[in-house]
Amino acid sequence: DTEVTQTPKHLVMGMTNKKSLKCEQHMGHRAMYWYKQKAKKPPELMFVYSYEKLSINESVPSRFSPECPNSSLLNLHLHALQPEDSALYLCASSHPGLGKNIQYFGAGTRLSVL
Amino acid sequence: QQQVKQSPQSLIVQKGGISIINCAYENTAFDYFPWYQQFPGKGPALLIAIRPDVSEKKEGRFTISFNKSAKQFSLHIMDSQPGDSATYFCAATYNQGGKLIFGQGTELSVKP
Repeated sequence: DTEVTQTPKHLVMGMTNKKSLKCEQHMGHRAMYWYKQKAKKPPELMFVYSYEKLSINESVPSRFSPECPNSSLLNLHLHALQPEDSALYLCASSHPGLGKNIQYFGAGTRLSVL
Repeated sequence: QQQVKQSPQSLIVQKGGISIINCAYENTAFDYFPWYQQFPGKGPALLIAIRPDVSEKKEGRFTISFNKSAKQFSLHIMDSQPGDSATYFCAATYNQGGKLIFGQGTELSVKP
């Protein structure tokens, strides 16, 4: 099973709302990632968790707050977003150090900020 | 030095034809080069990948050619089918882990 599950599939929120995106994998992977993807552009890395610890933050604004409660779960908490934050948010996972840096992506959450 | 340049931006191929997408990288420390395929509304999915000690890798209709001295690699899709219509991203990274450096993507359309 190479599945990364993301919920919800779609999310519409106002600029004053607080919402969370959820990502789950049961492949035993110990690295998990959040990416942001705009239309017709490649995914842009936001955060990396390795063994449940935040290892990379690509200078993401604080209105995005990641959380890794356990090795299978990754959350992205959203607060006071801007319309330009509307995008497809992708979660990915991989197993660090296996000799193949294969990242498995979920289907994403399509976020619209009004 | 971290960039990966991908071309063309878009490609239209007739059914049964060969689709060719090219990528070039700068950082010689990269040692793993995956290609991802993305359909509308879906996340990217790994298609095929290669290490720089191999000049060619083939999986079904998909072939990666790798030129280490030129720091270039390409994806060939033989006998292209309408179901291959998708956006293709090349990437470069490190075998042991780390961030993927994506190319800008190629939108492939295969006409019946």
